[in-house]
Amino acid sequence: EPEVTQTPSHQVTQMGQEVILRCVPISNHLYFYWYRQILGQKVEFLVSFYNNEISEKSEIFDDQFSVERPDGSNFTLKIRSTKLEDSAMYFCASSDGTGFQPQHFGDGTRLSIL
Amino acid sequence: AQKITQTQPGMFVQEKEAVTLDCTYDTSDPSYGLFWYKQPSSGEMIFLIYQGSYDQQNATEGRYSLNFQKARKSANLVISASQLGDSAMYFCAMRDYNYGQNFVFGPGTRLSVLP
Repeated sequence: EPEVTQTPSHQVTQMGQEVILRCVPISNHLYFYWYRQILGQKVEFLVSFYNNEISEKSEIFDDQFSVERPDGSNFTLKIRSTKLEDSAMYFCASSDGTGFQPQHFGDGTRLSIL
Repeated sequence: AQKITQTQPGMFVQEKEAVTLDCTYDTSDPSYGLFWYKQPSSGEMIFLIYQGSYDQQNATEGRYSLNFQKARKSANLVISASQLGDSAMYFCAMRDYNYGQNFVFGPGTRLSVLP
C-alpha cells in the first residue's frame, strides 16, 4: 500500500539554526499538509498546499515557516530560525482530493531543539 | 469555531472485549467529515475510519465501527474484540466544508488493552 514517507525520523538542531523537514507524499495525491504535535498534546494543523501554493495556514505558521514542493515528489517544511518551542513531532500528510478524503500521514519527524 | 472533545484521557479494556471511545464535536456546518486515527507508541498516525455527515449508515471497517449520533453531535469509535496491539492513543478529528481542508483534532484517548 502506498504511504507517505518522511525524513529524517529524528532531527536534533541548535536553537537559531535552520531546519528542513522532508516528505514524499503518496504519488497520485494532490493535497499536502503539515501538522505538528508537541509532546503529550494534540495534533495541530500548520499548513495545506495545493497546486504549488499554500491554500491555508494556521496562526502557528508564521514567517519563520515556509513550505516548498521543489520537484514532482518532495514536499518540504523549512523552519528558518528554530526556537526551543519548535520542538515537536512534525507530520506530513497527503490526500487525493477535495471533499472528505482521509489524510494519510507519514511516520513523523521528531524535531528536538537544543 | 470547530471543536472536538474527547472526555476520556485514558481507558482500559480486557483483551477480547469491546470498548467505546467517545468523541463529541461542534460545528455549524451541515457538511462535515469525522475521522479516527490511531497513534501507537512508535508515533505514526494511522487512519482507521471515516464518517460523513450525510452518510445514512454508521461506518464500519473490520473491528472498528463508528457510532454516529448526529443530533447529539457524537461520533464514538467502537473497537470489537480488543487485541494487545490496539493499545495506543486514539484521536478523533473533523473537517467541515467551510473551514477548509485541514483537520481539527481532539486531545486523544489513551487505550490500554490488558491481557
